[in-house]
Amino acid sequence: GQQLNQSPQSMFIQEGEDVSMNCTSSSIFNTWLWYKQDPGEGPVLLIALYKAGELTSNGRLTAQFGITRKDSFLNISASIPSDVGIYFCAGSRGSNYKLTFGKGTLLTVNP
Amino acid sequence: SQTIHQWPATLVQPVGSPLSLECTVEGTSNPNLYWYRQAAGRGLQLLFYSVGIGQISSEVPQNLSASRPQDRQFILSSKKLLLSDSGFYLCAWSVAGGEAFFGQGTRLTVV
Repeated sequence: GQQLNQSPQSMFIQEGEDVSMNCTSSSIFNTWLWYKQDPGEGPVLLIALYKAGELTSNGRLTAQFGITRKDSFLNISASIPSDVGIYFCAGSRGSNYKLTFGKGTLLTVNP
Repeated sequence: SQTIHQWPATLVQPVGSPLSLECTVEGTSNPNLYWYRQAAGRGLQLLFYSVGIGQISSEVPQNLSASRPQDRQFILSSKKLLLSDSGFYLCAWSVAGGEAFFGQGTRLTVV
């Protein structure tokens, strides 16, 4: 089945540092999504990407849909303590296909 | 606007008791619906997904079942809970091939 390889599994950074995480797949996806999950809550959508090569920003967050359609990355600039949480990538191949999620990146920001 | 409701937020059930978790979506028609389980605050395990009324796909063999009696209602059930059924259960909906939106989750503890 489809799998997304998300890395790194966890990150420990200092406040103010930039963060980068990525997802790769052996299959092509038509949509790439990035989510953040706070403890005890459901994941919240951060950025949605629909076109190969697309680069989209949401405040301090920037994500890109890889040209090959098999990868995506998420960057967080100037991290702050509230960036702490689990970040998930997800991909979709089309209307009748379920979303496939990566295993998540646990981000810890030290003040 | 679309909203998703999932309840209850927390649940403590004895081993062998039945389970019924309900999820409803408002503001959209014919959504794809999903049930996920998350253990230890990490990866999202897809349990069931549905592309229409009465259409349920099961991802992993387990002690749970799902039903979709109405277009925007998705129910997760068990006849007899096991200790291993404990976890954080998340319902989600998506438009065809697009973004998925999650409920707030149900923390289930089987004792």
